[in-house]
Amino acid sequence: NAGVTQTPKFQVLKTGQSMTLQCAQDMNHNSMYWYRQDPGMGLRLIYYSASEGTTDKGEVPNGYNVSRLNKREFSLRLESAAPSQTSVYFCASSEAWDNEQFFGPGTRLTVL
Amino acid sequence: RKEVEQDPGPFNVPEGATVAFNCTYSNSASQSFFWYRQDCRKEPKLLMSVYSSGNEDGRFTAQLNRASQYISLLIRDSKLSDSATYLCVVNNGGGSYIPTFGRGTSLIVHP
Repeated sequence: NAGVTQTPKFQVLKTGQSMTLQCAQDMNHNSMYWYRQDPGMGLRLIYYSASEGTTDKGEVPNGYNVSRLNKREFSLRLESAAPSQTSVYFCASSEAWDNEQFFGPGTRLTVL
Repeated sequence: RKEVEQDPGPFNVPEGATVAFNCTYSNSASQSFFWYRQDCRKEPKLLMSVYSSGNEDGRFTAQLNRASQYISLLIRDSKLSDSATYLCVVNNGGGSYIPTFGRGTSLIVHP
């Protein structure tokens, strides 16, 4: 089993460009999450999906959209990238909302 | 006040030392608690769940104090390989599905 996979691993964008970060899990988990991690700020939740067919805002949703495509896949879209979105993005999944989370390897995004 | 707080450290200890970290949380309805370990530029990985009665896994012991609203992590006989950032996570009840991470405590174990 691959666990949680994320693509791409690295990305450089120019201000105003758009892109989608992909995440997939093969553990049949119900809940999936997108976080960003910045120096000194810890992990902050952007959006989450408690179960297939639902998505909700987390702590820092502005500038992002998500799609829970099916039970396996949860994508994060930046419609118009800004330098403030330079960060490391982690996707995670868990069997249920109050269970341990399994993280993907992260996407390192730089917006110039 | 941030919902989940940790001392960022760094805690700088010699090999073989015992070190303890605390993590305080503000929501008394919080239902589940975890400690994660994160190595530099890597993803967080679960170290251990924290149970109401306390739990131990080898050199690691986790405790929950609901009255004072904190969880703790004790590491005995520290190894060089324990050097990492330790994150606490609190999952809140009451219909909120949002897990909240602390900012992490940095541990450096030196020879």
